[in-house]
Amino acid sequence: GQNIDQPTEMTATEGAIVQINCTYQTSGFNGLFWYQQHAGEAPTFLSYNVLDGLEEKGRFSSFLSRSKGYSYLLLKELQMKDSASYLCAVSDSNYQLIWGAGTKLIIKP
Amino acid sequence: GAVVSQHPSWVICKSGTSVKIECRSLDFQATTMFWYRQFPKQSLMLMATSNEGSKATYEQGVEKDKFLINHASLTLSTLTVTSAHPEDSSFYICSARDPGGGETGELFFGEGSRLTVL
Repeated sequence: GQNIDQPTEMTATEGAIVQINCTYQTSGFNGLFWYQQHAGEAPTFLSYNVLDGLEEKGRFSSFLSRSKGYSYLLLKELQMKDSASYLCAVSDSNYQLIWGAGTKLIIKP
Repeated sequence: GAVVSQHPSWVICKSGTSVKIECRSLDFQATTMFWYRQFPKQSLMLMATSNEGSKATYEQGVEKDKFLINHASLTLSTLTVTSAHPEDSSFYICSARDPGGGETGELFFGEGSRLTVL
């Protein structure tokens, strides 16, 4: 079956760095997405990786290793507003999105 | 980026009634829209893919007679929860792909509709 694993919850300190991991097993691969979802709101797009390596976008970076079925989202200089759930989603061979359960990130002052 | 708008944001209804949720693409045409349901502390669950001018494609386990989807125009898809029951209470979210992104384009989500069935 298809499976996306990510930690349920993580806690970090304001100003610090946090890495949220995502491992996946899917039938085919057409890219991996990271979305941010604040409580009670719809998800918003953060990043898309289809090739191995690191994609940097401001304070957020996303890494992909296709051979390991692994990705991480790196958040630097954490701010209180970064408290949210972070969803990992993989596009499979049929371009269907398989969603992880999300990682709730709690930022403490 | 593209804008998707969803209405209503909140709806409370009595058990047995029907509720309609609208999803509009405001600045682009969407031949395909996706309807998701999200229970508290759970991931997004794709309910169905809405196709303009044809029948929606439902995911396994989703009752097509209960969750009616209509995609009458290139900018509007509607989800009607018929004879709603308390277990249908959830956060319903629609989305459409970046029109320039092809099959791997990012998804733009509506604001979501929180349904509470009493």
